[in-house]
Amino acid sequence: DSGVTQTPKHLITATGQRVTLRCSPRSGDLSVYWYQQSLDQGLQFLIQYYNGEERAKGNILERFSAQQFPDLHSELNLSSLELGDSALYFCASSVGGGDPRNTEAFFGQGTRLTVV
Amino acid sequence: AQSVTQPDIHITVSEGASLELRCNYSYGATPYLFWYVQSPGQGLQLLLKYFSGDTLVQGIKGFEAEFKRSQSSFNLRKPSVHWSDAAEYFCAVGGVGQAGTALIFGKGTTLSVSS
Repeated sequence: DSGVTQTPKHLITATGQRVTLRCSPRSGDLSVYWYQQSLDQGLQFLIQYYNGEERAKGNILERFSAQQFPDLHSELNLSSLELGDSALYFCASSVGGGDPRNTEAFFGQGTRLTVV
Repeated sequence: AQSVTQPDIHITVSEGASLELRCNYSYGATPYLFWYVQSPGQGLQLLLKYFSGDTLVQGIKGFEAEFKRSQSSFNLRKPSVHWSDAAEYFCAVGGVGQAGTALIFGKGTTLSVSS
């Protein structure tokens, strides 16, 4: 058990809909990362939050957004969903901070999103 | 372009045989290097990491990896593979470019173990 909790585990929704994925980081971790894993793109970094503030952006679509709340849990919002958004979405957490060695991340079990 | 390459998509190894999974990166400086393993339906588990110092690092489950700066490689090895090692293995780099402390992953190598 990594200590990172993601809900829900599975989600099936229709095209055009909006969903919210939730992540609780490990106790004490300030950074939360979101990744998308798909067969064609592999594991791609989407976005990072550190202590409530956006820290870095990867290949995140404009239809996607995220936030980190004062209790450090994070939500990833996916809107206007398309078939191609079907993927496994991982949340990871790390201690964070300015030291790049704080890249050691612990991953949740993922949320499998199926868009039909 | 900055990238992490795992040349082998799929490898099959006999149980008890040795294993080497290849990873190459293309960054100007030495990044922080990681190997993760993903079992079916599971999240990613960290096997080992390299930040600096000794270029041979030991990880969990009997895995080790060697950083070779001249070859921009960070290959994962195990002397004797067990059936439970069948999984997908990802090499990753961190602390590079605009991704900051986020990880950039290779495409992964699927390991099958035959009896």
